[in-house]
Amino acid sequence: SQTIHQWPATLVQPVGSPLSLECTVEGTSNPNLYWYRQAAGRGLQLLFYSVGIGQISSEVPQNLSASRPQDRQFILSSKKLLLSDSGFYLCAWKSQLAGELFFGEGSRLTVL
Amino acid sequence: GENVEQHPSTLSVQEGDSAVIKCTYSDSASNYFPWYKQELGKRPQLIIDIRSNVGEKKDQRIAVTLNKTAKHFSLHITETQPEDSAVYFCAASETGGYNKLIFGAGTRLAVHP
Repeated sequence: SQTIHQWPATLVQPVGSPLSLECTVEGTSNPNLYWYRQAAGRGLQLLFYSVGIGQISSEVPQNLSASRPQDRQFILSSKKLLLSDSGFYLCAWKSQLAGELFFGEGSRLTVL
Repeated sequence: GENVEQHPSTLSVQEGDSAVIKCTYSDSASNYFPWYKQELGKRPQLIIDIRSNVGEKKDQRIAVTLNKTAKHFSLHITETQPEDSAVYFCAASETGGYNKLIFGAGTRLAVHP
């Protein structure tokens, strides 16, 4: 069966510091991968998605970036965090043949 | 691109009552409409979905209806229980390929005993 792992689960970072969140999927190949952000009490905002290694599409211009160095690995990064980057970040995957989206357990980021 | 509107943003019901959450979408090419439930501090999880080739789907106390002409779909929960309390998200997308799932803003449902 397929599983998705995301880490770290929580982190507190100062403004201006870098960020790296990592996500890996097991049990499937060539998944579509996604990063969503959920601000406190808000909906799910799509940040990036990827259909293959090195292929990244950005939905919202911001100081975040994403990379996909391997088929089942998706990384969310920032060089300098802003207060507004605080939120709950969710990695997700789906098969290219099906619609259901499976979420990781999320990473709660607090920028102080 | 796709835009999904969801109403209401909060919903409070008594245990045993029904709850209805409504969503509209903008892209007529969308053909897949899932509903996710998110409990506090946890990841969203799929509870039911519907594809555009059917108008209604039911799973025990949960049902979803779809009106393609009007571009809206609804979640119906009957005989609500306190454990139904959560945030519910609707979403829309095209299936296949890299088409992404666009979510509504969510509905916070509170079921009071």
